[in-house]
Amino acid sequence: SQQGEEDPQALSIQEGENATMNCSYKTSINNLQWYRQNSGRGLVHLILIRSNEREKHSGRLRVTLDTSKKSSSLLITASRAADTASYFCATDADSSYKLIFGSGTRLLVRP
Amino acid sequence: GAGVSQSPRYKVAKRGQDVALRCDPISGHVSLFWYQQALGQGPEFLTYFQNEAQLDKSGLPSDRFFAERPEGSVSTLKIQRTQQEDSAVYLCASSLDESGKAFFGQGTRLTVV
Repeated sequence: SQQGEEDPQALSIQEGENATMNCSYKTSINNLQWYRQNSGRGLVHLILIRSNEREKHSGRLRVTLDTSKKSSSLLITASRAADTASYFCATDADSSYKLIFGSGTRLLVRP
Repeated sequence: GAGVSQSPRYKVAKRGQDVALRCDPISGHVSLFWYQQALGQGPEFLTYFQNEAQLDKSGLPSDRFFAERPEGSVSTLKIQRTQQEDSAVYLCASSLDESGKAFFGQGTRLTVV
């Protein structure tokens, strides 16, 4: 079973535009993480946000967390073709070690 | 190497065949995880090791799946009598501790024909 649901399932934008992906989850969490996966590759950790944080930045990435709505968003600013990948949110709802992933958003950045 | 290494990258098995998938975690990482990722889906938890102890195997789909990490470093995921529904990418991850950032390997794509 999967805890998080990403929205949209797929997103196509032009290079230079911003991309926003959303994640909703069902139960309370300690932290939420975002991962990127290029086609046929493993997952790369992007950012971790704790339940007592509301916003976090890392380079061109901005993550928000609203625990009252059980949702998070990932914003990629000034997108590049190299940002084309699938993006997953993951929560630790069941335990401190088990990550529960959503089904992902497939992002296509057109050059 | 600096990252998590998995082998083989690709494996084609005939239905009923046994397979063994290997994971070399980052040196010094205490925690090791196996995940299964079906096509178009997010990874799903299979099992968790802390050093050589398998603390959680609740995600293993059946008793045909077996994982071990005998010396607390390299881990092997074994699938006996493979079935078509076992076709997936198997991802290994390691972290310094149980709740730390997890580093994933490239995965093993298993296709059962």
